[in-house]
Amino acid sequence: QSALTQPPSASGSPGQSVTISCTGTTNDVGDYNYVSWYQQHPGKAPKLMIYEVYKRPSGVPDRFSGSKSGDTASLTVSGLQADDEADYYCTSYAGSNDFVVFGGGTKVTVL
Amino acid sequence: QVQLQESGPGLVKPSQTLSLTCNVSGGSISSGNYYWTWIRQPAGKGLEWIGRMYTTGNTKYNPSLKSRATILVDTSKNQFSLRLTSVTAADTAVYYCARVRAMQVYFDCWGQGTLVTVSS
Repeated sequence: QSALTQPPSASGSPGQSVTISCTGTTNDVGDYNYVSWYQQHPGKAPKLMIYEVYKRPSGVPDRFSGSKSGDTASLTVSGLQADDEADYYCTSYAGSNDFVVFGGGTKVTVL
Repeated sequence: QVQLQESGPGLVKPSQTLSLTCNVSGGSISSGNYYWTWIRQPAGKGLEWIGRMYTTGNTKYNPSLKSRATILVDTSKNQFSLRLTSVTAADTAVYYCARVRAMQVYFDCWGQGTLVTVSS
């Protein structure tokens, strides 16, 4: 069960956009539209931000958007705000045997 | 609004068994369409899926744990639990319980997490 690959860090100034990639394989991201993204502030539990590649739960600002191309999914945060500074994790369904795989996480810094 | 709350010892000795319980409130653990899962996060590191249980009792575990993990459900108490045997320092982590939407496979509700330290 291999982890999904995310860049360790990303940054942007307030008001700018930042995009985080999440690269998997044809066994997970490439084969299923069940990619989700989570925001985690220090000392807190993860919070669902995006599910099924691009869908937003109620209450999540539309500044957060998701997409997928081939084996790589992406999360874009537009109009960066100070509170967006957090760790972001992607996950993907990986079939009935492996169930889910997580990305290693990306620390987003608002400059 | 479903809420999950982990409980259990914060300190476990090496080679012993880690036992945690997740209390589910605001909804029934027996309702369909959900998996109930455990995830852990060592300090400063990423998330690791431990295992999941469906409402029927069907379970699946992360192979990396080499059969050390067991998830059980107690529907009368609306709880599910984790047992992890033969623990080592590498099992020191914050442990989360979470609910997963079964069809779309995303974690829609998380507990606050509980730190378990493995040390003599």
